[in-house]
Amino acid sequence: AQSVTQPDIHITVSEGASLELRCNYSYGATPYLFWYVQSPGQGLQLLLKYFSGDTLVQGIKGFEAEFKRSQSSFNLRKPSVHWSDAAEYFCAVGAETGANNLFFGTGTRLTVIP
Amino acid sequence: DAGVTQSPTHLIKTRGQQVTLRCSPKSGHDTVSWYQQALGQGPQFIFQYYEEEERQRGNFPDRFSGHQFPNYSSELNVNALLLGDSALYLCASSTGQGSYEQYFGPGTRLTVT
Repeated sequence: AQSVTQPDIHITVSEGASLELRCNYSYGATPYLFWYVQSPGQGLQLLLKYFSGDTLVQGIKGFEAEFKRSQSSFNLRKPSVHWSDAAEYFCAVGAETGANNLFFGTGTRLTVIP
Repeated sequence: DAGVTQSPTHLIKTRGQQVTLRCSPKSGHDTVSWYQQALGQGPQFIFQYYEEEERQRGNFPDRFSGHQFPNYSSELNVNALLLGDSALYLCASSTGQGSYEQYFGPGTRLTVT
């Protein structure tokens, strides 16, 4: 069965520093993978998605993620973090069968220090 | 172009009561999914509606039910509320042809006392 693990509950980085958020998935075939961001009290905004093809995908707000099948990972990166990036980040994988619903990880909370 | 909208924003109910949450999908979308996000957790899939029928259901009891209208909007109903039903309820819309790309609304915060 599909599942997603986000090993880091909380990460703190300084503004301007680089960022990497980890995501590991469990899936039988080629997965559909997503990263969403959630600001306090808000819904989820799609940052980027991977369906197939190039394993390095670019998203909005300067984020990118790399799909590594051998490591079952889909880590999110940003070269220089801005204070406005402070939020909760969720990795998700599409369901293997049935409807096109998503399975989410438990999220990583990002704090940005000035 | 309006995105996904949900109402109400916040709701407070008492144990045992019933609640109805509403969702209007993004323009051009015909599929609505509902998710429950408990505090400190990721969203969990409740069910999905397409062509006015429940197409898929997650691991939620029958107290959770829904409906989709001809204009693609949707309702989530929860009966016999429990304290554990307190959560942010998110609606997501997508196209019906197997699209995994879902657009989320701002959510309804339900508090059960």
